Amino acid sequence: GAGVSQSPSNKVTEKGKDVELRCDPISGHTALYWYRQRLGQGLEFLIYFQGNSAPDKSGLPSDRFSAERTGGSVSTLTIQRTQQEDSAVYLCASSQGLSSDTQYFGPGTRLTVL
Amino acid sequence: QQQVKQSPQSLIVQKGGISIINCAYENTAFDYFPWYQQFPGKGPALLIAIRPDVSEKKEGRFTISFNKSAKQFSLHIMDSQPGDSATYFCAASNGGGFKTIFGAGTRLFVKA
Repeated sequence: GAGVSQSPSNKVTEKGKDVELRCDPISGHTALYWYRQRLGQGLEFLIYFQGNSAPDKSGLPSDRFSAERTGGSVSTLTIQRTQQEDSAVYLCASSQGLSSDTQYFGPGTRLTVL
Repeated sequence: QQQVKQSPQSLIVQKGGISIINCAYENTAFDYFPWYQQFPGKGPALLIAIRPDVSEKKEGRFTISFNKSAKQFSLHIMDSQPGDSATYFCAASNGGGFKTIFGAGTRLFVKA
């Protein structure tokens, strides 16, 4: 079946612009995660959605970052007034339920802020 | 208490050798310990996982060893191949709702 998809695959933007990154999780998966991965670095947790519960936003680095998940499926990560330090690969993952389930990752969106 | 410490940061192994990557955790509430493999330009993918009721799990050339008392677990790659060259992440989570915590990653290079 279809895996996790993300769009766009690459995004180049100018400093100060807003960007929206999209994630389509695997159908039926109730949990969805966003991570940031800087070049050669590990996975930095950003936000976690589980079903209809309030999202865990504890990893969002600043109030310029926000995310929503509509209808328990598609998620959008929005970065306002982008800065050069926001340049990274943004990875989305989904899982069937609680955090002890396998996470299935999308290919990521490579964001470059000039 | 939520950290997962992974070592080494990078590893070079000869083809046919054994690759060993170690992780340590602090939160005794963790009950699921997966390893993910990431190739350049791709998202991480589950390689193998273990729960703390067993001390070892083997799948092909990949083995997880788990030491509950020491709060440590490791990945062993037997007969390492150049195609194993990738970044490996250990992780820990808890079905009670804690988010998955990832180690910092180990970049493995297997020399032909």
